[in-house]
Amino acid sequence: QVQLVESGGGLVKPGGSLRLSCAASRFTFSDYYMGWIRQAPGKGLEWLTYMNENGNTIYYADSVKGRFTISRDNAENSLFLQMNSLRAEDTAVYYCARGDDATVAGTKRAPLGAFDMWGQGTMVTVSS
Amino acid sequence: DIVMTQTPLSSPVTLGQPASISCRSSQSLVHSDGNTYLSWLQQRPGQPPRLLIYRISNRFSGVPDRFSGSGAGTDFTLKISRVEAEDVGVYYCMQATQLVTFGGGTKVEIK
Repeated sequence: QVQLVESGGGLVKPGGSLRLSCAASRFTFSDYYMGWIRQAPGKGLEWLTYMNENGNTIYYADSVKGRFTISRDNAENSLFLQMNSLRAEDTAVYYCARGDDATVAGTKRAPLGAFDMWGQGTMVTVSS
Repeated sequence: DIVMTQTPLSSPVTLGQPASISCRSSQSLVHSDGNTYLSWLQQRPGQPPRLLIYRISNRFSGVPDRFSGSGAGTDFTLKISRVEAEDVGVYYCMQATQLVTFGGGTKVEIK
């Protein structure tokens, strides 16, 4: 069964930094787009960023552009989110999620165009 | 940016009765490749989201057939034919045609 496990959350002061990790298992990590989504307490889902299978295509939401950086290590089956200049409004549960299968490209199959697997999330609290 | 608007915000339903959730996008979700990347997710209390439907109407692996999706262009619907207790939670639509945006969510609860 596909598994995504986030770690690295915690309490950080405004202006501080945090690096989240997502360990993937039981699928070929290097074949998939991966993304980060967050959910503030009692609120809905907010997409933050995603990256293609080899890391050379990256997109960010305006709310985190210039402050957050997504990266991946395919050899270690891991996804990362470096978060700098943190603000109180960044307080949320952060989920990593599996995106499209890049091997679909060039075939007759269409990508799902969805996040089909999600981790349990890691809580980030930004407070003085 | 594409804005996704869900209605209603809350849907109290009697067990065994149908439920319907609407999702409207601020612009067409038809991608240049001809596909429409509109999906639906379920989030049960205390759980991460779970994919139910992708590309408007395709049920994801393991999703019961009481869930169905329909629509085209800018208007989409998720239907639960007969609500069960385990269906309680918040449902989100999501578009991935142009970056990614989520709808605000619809809470399904039992009357």
